[in-house]
Amino acid sequence: SYELTQPPSVSVSPGQTASITCSGDKLETKYSYWYQQKPGQSPVMVIYQDTKRPSGIPERFSGSNSGNTATLTISGTQAMDEADYYCQAWDSSTVVFGGGTKLTVL
Amino acid sequence: QVQLKQWGAGLLKPSETLSLTCAVYGGSLSGNYWSWIRQPPGKGLEWIGEINQRRSTNYNPSLKSRVTISVDTSKKQFSLRLSSVTAADTAVYYCARNRWSDDGEDYYGLDVWGLGTPVSVSS
Repeated sequence: SYELTQPPSVSVSPGQTASITCSGDKLETKYSYWYQQKPGQSPVMVIYQDTKRPSGIPERFSGSNSGNTATLTISGTQAMDEADYYCQAWDSSTVVFGGGTKLTVL
Repeated sequence: QVQLKQWGAGLLKPSETLSLTCAVYGGSLSGNYWSWIRQPPGKGLEWIGEINQRRSTNYNPSLKSRVTISVDTSKKQFSLRLSSVTAADTAVYYCARNRWSDDGEDYYGLDVWGLGTPVSVSS
């Protein structure tokens, strides 16, 4: 079965750029999706089809996908961006999630 | 704007069957798949499976033997049954829309989520 690997944690200072990676075999041949989940809340999609932002998602969220790695980038990170982030792909008619990355803003 | 409202029993004993239902408001069932996802305490998201209006299903291979997802198109509801539960099935269970384009060619991801139902399995 297909697997997606994320770093367990990433730290960033307020106002700096945070990058969260997601690795999978030939991931660039699939679309990647990213979800933000704050404590006690349901996940919210922040990036779909590698680079697109759903309505209402701030411009500081961006995505890319090349080779075996998809990347979620948060520019000018704010305290409110502190959350768990999950990547996701679609493979063989199944939804696959990465293990999640805890983003700490400090 | 599509909203999902979910409900079901939150406390089960080992070997019982988990049963949850999710209702779709403000939109149609057609054209999309409707998923169940779970999250054990302190852990990540695990996709369970999905169904569309035509009752076509896809399941996570690791859970397939115990999972049944069904749909009631007249009520715009879809349901999850997970049999023979153990403590390892303790989790928050979410329903979500797995959005596709009208022609079924483009996949847009899990764009609408329910609030989640906590389920605990304990003797």
